[in-house]
Amino acid sequence: AQSVTQLDSQVPVFEEAPVELRCNYSSSVSVYLFWYVQYPNQGLQLLLKYLSGSTLVKGINGFEAEFNKSQTSFHLRKPSVHISDTAEYFCAVMNTGFQKLVFGTGTRLLVSP
Amino acid sequence: GAGVSQSPSNKVTEKGKDVELRCDPISGHTALYWYRQSLGQGLEFLIYFQGNSAPDKSGLPSDRFSAERTGGSVSTLTIQRTQQEDSAVYLCASSPGSAGQETQYFGPGTRLLVL
Repeated sequence: AQSVTQLDSQVPVFEEAPVELRCNYSSSVSVYLFWYVQYPNQGLQLLLKYLSGSTLVKGINGFEAEFNKSQTSFHLRKPSVHISDTAEYFCAVMNTGFQKLVFGTGTRLLVSP
Repeated sequence: GAGVSQSPSNKVTEKGKDVELRCDPISGHTALYWYRQSLGQGLEFLIYFQGNSAPDKSGLPSDRFSAERTGGSVSTLTIQRTQQEDSAVYLCASSPGSAGQETQYFGPGTRLLVL
């Protein structure tokens, strides 16, 4: 079975500052890794994904994440955040042999002026 | 193109009533998933369809929950004899059946409130 840990339930940050949202996973088999964003009263939107290859993946809205197999981590970063980045961010894993996503508990990013 | 759509967007029902939630996946997507998002449990997988078959229904919380998919397209999630703990946002997602099948595209969800 897989599990995902997002230790930070909430991350406050000022506009134009850098941010890192942490994600650690547990799995005994190979996995795919994802970050989704959820704006208020909306569904989930894919930010980026790691399937294989380069461990640094770039996504939409200037976000990037780095897969670290030895540390079983997939932290999300952005060098300069905007007010519009305020949302809930979910890290998720998928066993490469199955289809369901296993989500972390989410991190609420709060960007203030 | 059109994304995943779900209806109704909001549903208020009384305890003990049955409810049906509908999902229209992206055209051509053969895989369809249901998830539940609640304050206490976070985002949980419910059931996965490949075509009209459900090879993984391990997340359905009780036999009051059932789902079907017809014509390889629309899916309906039915909750019988609703309980207050069923209150949640029910999210549907779809993905292509071949290349890109690992990426799930989510609908806006149905917010269910059981009084």
